[in-house]
Amino acid sequence: DIQMTQSPSSLSASVGDRVTITCRASQSISNYLNWYQQKPGKAPKALIYGGSSLQGGVPSRFSGSGSGTDFTLTISSLQPEDFATYYCQQSYSTPRITFGPGTKVVVK
Amino acid sequence: QLQLQESGPRLVKPSETLSLTCTVSNGSISDNTYYWDWIRQPPGKGLEWLGSIYFRGSTYYNPSLKSRVTISVDTSENRFSLKLSSLTAADTAVYFCARLSYRSSSGIDSWGPGTLVTVSS
Repeated sequence: DIQMTQSPSSLSASVGDRVTITCRASQSISNYLNWYQQKPGKAPKALIYGGSSLQGGVPSRFSGSGSGTDFTLTISSLQPEDFATYYCQQSYSTPRITFGPGTKVVVK
Repeated sequence: QLQLQESGPRLVKPSETLSLTCTVSNGSISDNTYYWDWIRQPPGKGLEWLGSIYFRGSTYYNPSLKSRVTISVDTSENRFSLKLSSLTAADTAVYFCARLSYRSSSGIDSWGPGTLVTVSS
């Protein structure tokens, strides 16, 4: 099984900050890495697929990068609606997908 | 726009079997470019993939739950189902159904709203 880790597990930030979240896979997954945003009581929302491609309707302040085992999600200028938990997920072994443990972004 | 909706009991007793159904609207479960997934999230915790089914009936399960999970599909009703047996309190979670792209490069693009299932006597 491919294991996913994320760091940090939580971070505090202010509106306007640049935020970076890291995701690491236990083996190379090429660019088959996806990011999701989840707010309390809601289903996750797809943000980025294929490592760096934005899902339709996702603001351009979100970006993804990386390949192989190391990936990052960056929010260039944090907005009030961006306080949420973010999950990475590998789809290299589709349909046997695995998620990272999540990173919670909270108000500083 | 595709819609997914989970349905089933909200309270189940320990040792019993959970049965949930996901109804697909505004899209076909027979679309050969997708898998249909069950994912769960215990309260305050992360996401756990339970398993996937392809419209032709091929199934794939999380090895940690494999002996307890069964996923089936009903293409005539455009829905798929989850059965999870031998329940314990650790199975208390929000259960989501989702659509996963057949292509490794794309991931999940649609989720149901989720349903909280509590395992308690």
